[in-house]
Amino acid sequence: DTGVSQDPRHKITKRGQNVTFRCDPISEHNRLYWYRQTLGQGPEFLTYFQNEAQLEKSRLLSDRFSAERPKGSFSTLEIQRTEQGDSAMYLCASSSITDRGTQETQYFGPGTRLLVL
Amino acid sequence: AQKVTQAQTEISVVEKEDVTLDCVYETRDTTYYLFWYKQPPSGELVFLIRRNSFDEQNEISGRYSWNFQKSTSSFNFTITASQVVDSAVYFCALAGTGGFKTIFGAGTRLFVKA
Repeated sequence: DTGVSQDPRHKITKRGQNVTFRCDPISEHNRLYWYRQTLGQGPEFLTYFQNEAQLEKSRLLSDRFSAERPKGSFSTLEIQRTEQGDSAMYLCASSSITDRGTQETQYFGPGTRLLVL
Repeated sequence: AQKVTQAQTEISVVEKEDVTLDCVYETRDTTYYLFWYKQPPSGELVFLIRRNSFDEQNEISGRYSWNFQKSTSSFNFTITASQVVDSAVYFCALAGTGGFKTIFGAGTRLFVKA
C-alpha cells in the first residue's frame, strides 16, 4: 500500500495527558499537512511541512500542539495536556509540488480519531 | 479571505436518481484550485477531482460530472443514476496560489436509498 498512513487510528485518553500521532506520507511527496475535523464539519488546516521545514501554522494550533517532520519523511503531531475540546479526527495529507511550483492534489490518510475523557 | 459554502447539509435520494451537490466559493486569488472529496463512513477522504481556475471545461468521469462556472463562483458536482455506494459526505475545497492551505466546505451528506 503506497497511500498515506496514520497511527494510531483511534486514541482515548484522559484530560491532561499527552498524546502523539504519527503520519507516514506517500513516499515521493515532499509536502505534508495536518488537519483537524470535528463532527459535522470539514477539515480545518493546522500546519504544513515542505520537506523538514514547517512553513505555516494555523492559529488553531495552540501552544499545546507541536508538529515535527525531522527527516522530511514521517511526521508527528503531539498534543500536550489534552482538553476535552481536542476531541476530533486528526487528518494527515501529503502532496508533491511540481518543478513549476504549482500545488498538486493532497491525498489524505485514514485519520486518527481522538477522544479526550 | 477564502471561503467555501456548501448550502446543502443533507440530501436524500432514491437509487438511480440524479443528484447535484452545490458548491460556491470566494477567493481573491486569480489562480486557484478547486477539489471535491468523498468521505465514506470509514472516514478516509477520497480525492475525486481537481480543477484549476484557468480551466473552465466541464468534466465527466463515469457517473460523475462537474460544472465549473467562474462567473458565478460555483463548482457543482452531479452524480447520475446514484447508487447506494455513493452514500457519503462530499466536501468541496479550495486552495489558493501556492496551494498549501486547502479550505473545505462543511460538506453535504448524501443518502442514497435502495
